[in-house]
Amino acid sequence: GEDVEQSLFLSVREGDSSVINCTYTDSSSTYLYWYKQEPGAGLQLLTYIFSNMDMKQDQRLTVLLNKKDKHLSLRIADTQTGDSAIYFCAETFTGGGNKLTFGTGTQLKVEL
Amino acid sequence: EAGVVQSPRYKIIEKKQPVAFWCNPISGHNTLYWYRQNLGQGPELLIRYENEEAVDDSQLPKDRFSAERLKGVDSTLKIQPAELGDSAVYLCASSLDYRGLEQFFGPGTRLTVL
Repeated sequence: GEDVEQSLFLSVREGDSSVINCTYTDSSSTYLYWYKQEPGAGLQLLTYIFSNMDMKQDQRLTVLLNKKDKHLSLRIADTQTGDSAIYFCAETFTGGGNKLTFGTGTQLKVEL
Repeated sequence: EAGVVQSPRYKIIEKKQPVAFWCNPISGHNTLYWYRQNLGQGPELLIRYENEEAVDDSQLPKDRFSAERLKGVDSTLKIQPAELGDSAVYLCASSLDYRGLEQFFGPGTRLTVL
């Protein structure tokens, strides 16, 4: 079945770039997503990429997709303390309707 | 534009008691989802509605969980009786239609079963 994995924790200094990584197993992925979750809050959709694309940029966010290696990354430029949160990657896949399959989340801590 | 509304935000009950969660999706969104998020995990889909119809409930534990979406707008998720392992955050999400490219999540209901 489908499986999405992420590293659990990332710590960066304010102003640096953050790179959060995700790997998935399902070769029939259609869309891949990045969500942000702050403490006590729901999930905020940050961005998503179609599985046939390699890259998508949206302001400080850059998504890179290596379909051959089934690897997805989210780069946050000029990371701020307000970026501290848990980041989830998720996928939808052919035959799964629009069911999102989430990874376990990466906790990003931004230090001054 | 108002987002997805859920209530209550927090609920503490004793095991074997019933509990219900309510969700009001974004206006005009036909597709509604209930997810469960266990501590330290990503959300997992419980059920998906297209208007009033439950089109994917394969992950819903039907012996104790039930859901309804009367009139295709608000939805209620019920657990009866609750077990200790049901402690989790229950998230409601909605999307414009069945293609659901963008799913918008509510703040969730944090359930603690004692």
